[in-house]
Amino acid sequence: GQNIDQPTEMTATEGAIVQINCTYQTSGFNGLFWYQQHAGEAPTFLSYNVLDGLEEKGRFSSFLSRSKGYSYLLLKELQMKDSASYLCASLDSWGKLQFGAGTQVVVTP
Amino acid sequence: NAGVTQTPKFRVLKTGQSMTLLCAQDMNHEYMYWYRQDPGMGLRLIHYSVGEGTTAKGEVPDGYNVSRLKKQNFLLGLESAAPSQTSVYFCASSLGVTTFPSSTDTQYFGPGTRLTVL
Repeated sequence: GQNIDQPTEMTATEGAIVQINCTYQTSGFNGLFWYQQHAGEAPTFLSYNVLDGLEEKGRFSSFLSRSKGYSYLLLKELQMKDSASYLCASLDSWGKLQFGAGTQVVVTP
Repeated sequence: NAGVTQTPKFRVLKTGQSMTLLCAQDMNHEYMYWYRQDPGMGLRLIHYSVGEGTTAKGEVPDGYNVSRLKKQNFLLGLESAAPSQTSVYFCASSLGVTTFPSSTDTQYFGPGTRLTVL
């Protein structure tokens, strides 16, 4: 079976750092994706991790620990435009994604 | 290069009516997917296809049918719509599963279809 857990909402001020945690249980695990979704829009790809460790991409970084079934997305130097829902999703060996319910990040001035 | 497109963008149906949602991709992707997104529940997989002429059930397939007659198109059908099918529907596509996991498994999403069933 598969199960993805992430917090429902997080609030932070402009310029701050926020870390969104995600735990997963996936049969035939083939990687962990993070997507960003603004209200009323489609999810857009942010990052992919399949090996343990940290992947850095500009202001966003993603970390994976396969042994712990744990990932986090780190958003640095928060901007107002970063207010969105962030979706954690695990990929199985059949090419199917299991999504968490999403974490709504609210950035305040 | 339009990526993934969906038609229609919005639709209102009465209970018992039928309709078809069309998804098209121009990236020559092998895999295509249909999801529904409901408040507080995240994206849930309805059906998917790993190639032209193949389809498979996802997490919530009941009440839906799909067809993949051409590689670039993936159709989602509702034969007899119910209020419980009110949702936002997203189509996605990916290159497909490779021998070694890689970012080529990334799914790219269409803009969505907002469906209301009265």
